[in-house]
Amino acid sequence: DAGVIQSPRHEVTEMGQEVTLRCKPISGHNSLFWYRQTMMRGLELLIYFNNNVPIDDSGMPEDRFSAKMPNASFSTLKIQPSEPRDSAVYFCASSHSGQLVEQYFGPGTRLTVT
Amino acid sequence: GENVEQHPSTLSVQEGDSAVIKCTYSDSASNYFPWYKQELGKRPQLIIDIRSNVGEKKDQRIAVTLNKTAKHFSLHITETQPEDSAVYFCAASKDDMRFGAGTRLTVKP
Repeated sequence: DAGVIQSPRHEVTEMGQEVTLRCKPISGHNSLFWYRQTMMRGLELLIYFNNNVPIDDSGMPEDRFSAKMPNASFSTLKIQPSEPRDSAVYFCASSHSGQLVEQYFGPGTRLTVT
Repeated sequence: GENVEQHPSTLSVQEGDSAVIKCTYSDSASNYFPWYKQELGKRPQLIIDIRSNVGEKKDQRIAVTLNKTAKHFSLHITETQPEDSAVYFCAASKDDMRFGAGTRLTVKP
């Protein structure tokens, strides 16, 4: 199994530009999570999907952030417009079912907004 | 929602010593408590987890204890080795997983 796949691994963009992060969960997993990690705020859950349906998006910082999961094997996290304070490592994770089992993290996308 | 506090933020031990990291949680309904290890520049990976119907769980050199009454749980690493150096995160979950702020463990050879 290839594990959770994220792309790109690194993204550098200018303030105001749109950024799209991509995630392919482990095959057979029906829960998907987007996290943001910074030194100041640690590891924060942004949004959680179960069976492609958003269950909890209370962690999404503001309307500039949106996430979709059009099918069981693909999800995107979009930031539009991006700001320097969005600079962070964004992790996608997946699990068999929900939040009460092991979550498998992807390698992360390091986003830098200048 | 759930609030998880983790202490200490940094911990330095000599190789072979034990290390203990403690976490408290706020929601008494939380019933799943995983611990993740994150090496520098890598992804978090689960090292051990415990559920609320169990008080203690051990896996080789690592163990986790849970006190539901006091709402705290701890990670114990014995006979530490340099490769144990990493950031460790606790988490608590019922419907909503929340992570602690992390503990940077350094094991000095």
